Amino acid sequence: EIVLTQSPGTLSLSPGERATLSCRASQSVSSSYLAWYQQKPGQAPRLLIYGASSRATGIPDRFSGSGSGTDFTLTISRLEPEDFAVYYCQQYGSSRGLTFGGGTKVEIK
Amino acid sequence: QLQLQESGPGLVKPSETLSLTCTVSGGSISSSSYYWGWIRQPPGKGLEWIGSIYYSGSTYYNPSLKSRVTISVDTSKNQFSLKLSSVTAADTAVYYCARSNPDFDYWGQGTLVTVSS
Repeated sequence: EIVLTQSPGTLSLSPGERATLSCRASQSVSSSYLAWYQQKPGQAPRLLIYGASSRATGIPDRFSGSGSGTDFTLTISRLEPEDFAVYYCQQYGSSRGLTFGGGTKVEIK
Repeated sequence: QLQLQESGPGLVKPSETLSLTCTVSGGSISSSSYYWGWIRQPPGKGLEWIGSIYYSGSTYYNPSLKSRVTISVDTSKNQFSLKLSSVTAADTAVYYCARSNPDFDYWGQGTLVTVSS
């Protein structure tokens, strides 16, 4: 099973600042199968990024994904008030195993 | 617009079987492009994938839950279902159903299932 480790656990930033979230895999992940989600309290997760770098429908361009192999990054270029939430990465492996990272909370500083 | 809705008991006794159904509307569960999955989230914790099913009935499960999980599909009702046996308090969670590609692009609102006597 591929383990995804997200860092930091919590990111304290102010609106307008840049957020950089990391997702590291225990073994190589196909870029086609790395996704990022945003979750707000009391809501289901929302798909932000799929295929490591493609934005899902309706996702603002301040969200971008990058990376390959074992290291992936979600960047929010300028934090808006609605962006403060928990973010999860997720991978799908060749053996049809599927795992989520533990999450990064982006909180208002 | 595709919508998914979970339904089932909100309270299950320890050692019993948790049963949930996901009803899909606004699209066909028989679409050849997608799997359909279950994900859970214990209170205050992260997301855990439980398993996924194709409309043909092909399934794959989280190895850590595989011995207790059964996912099935009913294409005539546009539904898929989850059964989790021998539940304990550790299975208390919000359970979500979602469409899988294999990223999850449409989600249900989630349903809280509490395991308690």
